[in-house]
Amino acid sequence: EVQLVESGGGLVQPGGSLRLSCAASGFTFTNYAISWVRQAPGKGLEWVSAIGGSGAVTYYAESVKGRFTISRDNSKNTVYLQMNSLRTEDTATYYCATRMVYFDYWGQGTLVTVSS
Amino acid sequence: QSALTQPRSVSGSPGQSITISCTGTSSDVGGYHYVSWYQQYLGKAPKLIIYDVTKRPSGVPDRFSGSKSGNTASLTISGLQAEDEAEYHCCSYAGSSTLFGGGTKLTVL
Repeated sequence: EVQLVESGGGLVQPGGSLRLSCAASGFTFTNYAISWVRQAPGKGLEWVSAIGGSGAVTYYAESVKGRFTISRDNSKNTVYLQMNSLRTEDTATYYCATRMVYFDYWGQGTLVTVSS
Repeated sequence: QSALTQPRSVSGSPGQSITISCTGTSSDVGGYHYVSWYQQYLGKAPKLIIYDVTKRPSGVPDRFSGSKSGNTASLTISGLQAEDEAEYHCCSYAGSSTLFGGGTKLTVL
């Protein structure tokens, strides 16, 4: 059974940093790109970032480019999202999901709140 | 890049059919055969129901179908059921990024 489990969310002040983790199981991890998708309270979905199976290729939405960094540790079947210079508009539930062209498996999400 | 455009809400009675539109540009919806649709219940993670414009993942009823014409994609749900009441999101690959629509709330009357 495919499972994606996010962790690392919480309350952080504007300008602060947070690192999210996405632990995967139930599939051949290196065969899949992994994406982060977020959803602000009461709003639609927004794709944030993606990383290829080997970790060599990364993609970012313009809204987070230069502030967020995606990485993966294939020995631990885990993808990370390092979020720096956080803004109030980054407040959202962050989901990790398989692939980038479409998203067939999703985690349950982790809530990030940026507030003073 | 701007989000894709969906109607904020649609409604229908049990047994009826509804269609949700998703409008983009030639750089996303019109330029790739990679439109997908997601069903989301309140407080839950989204679920993939259509990918590559018309394909259904295993387990998704054939009441759900997708299509595309030019820069507009559509999701049709036929034989509407009470359990179909949810939020529906469209999505399109756009080269080095992926875009979502704003979401459509489906109400089953």
